Amino acid sequence: DVKVTQSSRYLVKRTGEKVFLECVQDMDHENMFWYRQDPGLGLRLIYFSYDVKMKEKGDIPEGYSVSREKKERFSLILESASTNQTSMYLCASSPGLLRYEQYFGPGTRLTVT
Amino acid sequence: AQSVTQLGSHVSVSEGALVLLRCNYSSSVPPYLFWYVQYPNQGLQLLLKYTTGATLVKGINGFEAEFKKSETSFHLTKPSAHMSDAAEYFCAVSGPDMRFGAGTRLTVKP
Repeated sequence: DVKVTQSSRYLVKRTGEKVFLECVQDMDHENMFWYRQDPGLGLRLIYFSYDVKMKEKGDIPEGYSVSREKKERFSLILESASTNQTSMYLCASSPGLLRYEQYFGPGTRLTVT
Repeated sequence: AQSVTQLGSHVSVSEGALVLLRCNYSSSVPPYLFWYVQYPNQGLQLLLKYTTGATLVKGINGFEAEFKKSETSFHLTKPSAHMSDAAEYFCAVSGPDMRFGAGTRLTVKP
C-alpha cells in the first residue's frame, strides 16, 4: 500500500514563527502536493512538485514556500505564521497527473495563536 | 479550466436508506473524475474513479457513480446506508491539476 506520512498531526505555533511541515511518501511517486482544507472551501492547492527541486504554485501560494530536495520528501514552509494560516494541511502524492488518483497523508491541524 | 460543484453541504439519511451525493463538473476536455471520502481526523481516500470506458463505476464499500456527459454529472450512490458511511465526501475533476468540490458531509441516523 502507498503510504504518505506527515510529520505532525497537531501543531500549535505563535504568530511570526517559521513553521515546517514535512511529508514523506514511500512509493517513488513523481508528483507531490500540499493542500489546505477549510470548512466550506474544500481543498485548495498551495504548491505541487512534479520532480525533485521542481515546484509549481497552486491557487493560494502567498505566505508559503516549499522544498523538494529528495523525491520522497516534500516540505511546506510558513515563513512567518499568521492566524489566517490556521487550518488543516494535507499532503498528497501521485504517480502521474490527469488519470491518476492522489494518495493522501493523515493531515496536520495547525493552530497559529 | 476544470471545476466541481457539489450540491448540498450536508446530507442526512436513515440507516438502510439510499445515499445520493450530487456532483456536477465543468471541463473543457474529457474529464477524469474521482470521489474521495474523509473520515474524522484522517486524510482523503479514494472511493472510485472514472477515466474512460464504462460510465457506471463501482468503488469500495458498496458505492458507485455514473458519469453522464450530457448532464455533466458524476453523482455518487449507495443503495443502503450504513452507520460507518458517516464521513465527508469530495468530488474531484482532474486535468492538469485536480480540482475538488467543497465537500458533502453525510450523516447516517439510526
